[in-house]
Amino acid sequence: GQNIDQPTEMTATEGAIVQINCTYQTSGFNGLFWYQQHAGEAPTFLSYNVLDGLEEKGRFSSFLSRSKGYSYLLLKELQMKDSASYLCAVIKEDYQLIWGAGTKLIIKP
Amino acid sequence: IAGITQAPTSQILAAGRRMTLRCTQDMRHNAMYWYRQDLGLGLRLIHYSNTAGTTGKGEVPDGYSVSRANTDDFPLTLASAVPSQTSVYFCASSDSDGFGGQEGYTFGSGTRLTVV
Repeated sequence: GQNIDQPTEMTATEGAIVQINCTYQTSGFNGLFWYQQHAGEAPTFLSYNVLDGLEEKGRFSSFLSRSKGYSYLLLKELQMKDSASYLCAVIKEDYQLIWGAGTKLIIKP
Repeated sequence: IAGITQAPTSQILAAGRRMTLRCTQDMRHNAMYWYRQDLGLGLRLIHYSNTAGTTGKGEVPDGYSVSRANTDDFPLTLASAVPSQTSVYFCASSDSDGFGGQEGYTFGSGTRLTVV
């Protein structure tokens, strides 16, 4: 079968670093997205990985290992506004997306 | 402001009624998508359109229909609503076919639908 696994919920402290993991098993692979979704709002694009390695974009970085079917999103210098759900999505071989259920990140002062 | 407009924002609908969710984009994106989001599940694709005049079925198309008469509009119709269609519905678009390229999808703000 095809699936994407993410932790349901994580808690971190303001100013700290948190890593959100995503593992996947899909029919083919053409890239991976990370999206941020605040409660009651639309998902917004964070990052796209298609090659192995780390992509850095400000406080957010995303890592991909295709051989391990694994990605993570790293958030540094956490701010209260980072409290949101983080969605991992894989682009399958037919170029359709399969989405994880999302990780709810709670930031505490 | 460029983006996607969805209407209505929320709706309570009696079972058996017909309902059309509206979606309009002003970015001239070729591809458009309808997703539903339910608690504990990932976004699930209902229908998509890679370009005006064409549509395709996604993962959960039953009970829904779409049309794409022009580039900007992509309405989703529930012919006869059932309680299992209670969900948050998101319309999205991208400027390339399939996965949306390196910039991903742009999402509308969603329609919260409750079928009673």
